[in-house]
Amino acid sequence: QKEVEQNSGPLSVPEGAIASLNCTYSDRGSQSFFWYRQYSGKSPELIMFIYSNGDKEDGRFTAQLNKASQYVSLLIRDSQPSDSATYLCAVNRGGSNYKLTFGKGTLLTVNP
Amino acid sequence: GAGVSQSPSNKVTEKGKDVELRCDPISGHTALYWYRQSLGQGLEFLIYFQGNSAPDKSGLPSDRFSAERTGGSVSTLTIQRTQQEDSAVYLCASSRDSNSPLHFGNGTRLTVT
Repeated sequence: QKEVEQNSGPLSVPEGAIASLNCTYSDRGSQSFFWYRQYSGKSPELIMFIYSNGDKEDGRFTAQLNKASQYVSLLIRDSQPSDSATYLCAVNRGGSNYKLTFGKGTLLTVNP
Repeated sequence: GAGVSQSPSNKVTEKGKDVELRCDPISGHTALYWYRQSLGQGLEFLIYFQGNSAPDKSGLPSDRFSAERTGGSVSTLTIQRTQQEDSAVYLCASSRDSNSPLHFGNGTRLTVT
């Protein structure tokens, strides 16, 4: 079983819609969860992190964590074409960024 | 301010040659990480440096891979006797400490022919 799984996509949504990206993980000891955005040919950039069960909102982004079900999701409200990128889910057993385990990423396309 | 700088941005080498990849972290960042991103794969952890502590080399795929960090700043990743399966984008990241967000460089795209 892969440690961190994401649907590779592509996920295609119209501009203004909500994009929902999902990630499941196998290690029940995971404590910290991150979402990175990676534009084609560019380096990953951190957009959200979450440590506790529930929702965490930051602008148009909401991260949702359910440790019992071992999934973490990212919602993007009012999607814009500039949100088109690959979204990487990363988890860590510890409470830090050290030695993150990444999923393969989901390609999101927002159509104008 | 300057971000994480990696060089070269692209490297094409022949199978069996050695290569050196360089990473210049953000000034003041004590933690430095190397990851590898192969086509269609997620980022794979290679090695982690934190201050003056011994590095965590547990992600290095073989003894052909080594890395060092001089003076707590610049790091070099060396791959000896390169193989075609080493072809990937090698990403360096740094953070203020191990609890702070990672800042990635633009990577070095390595192609082994």
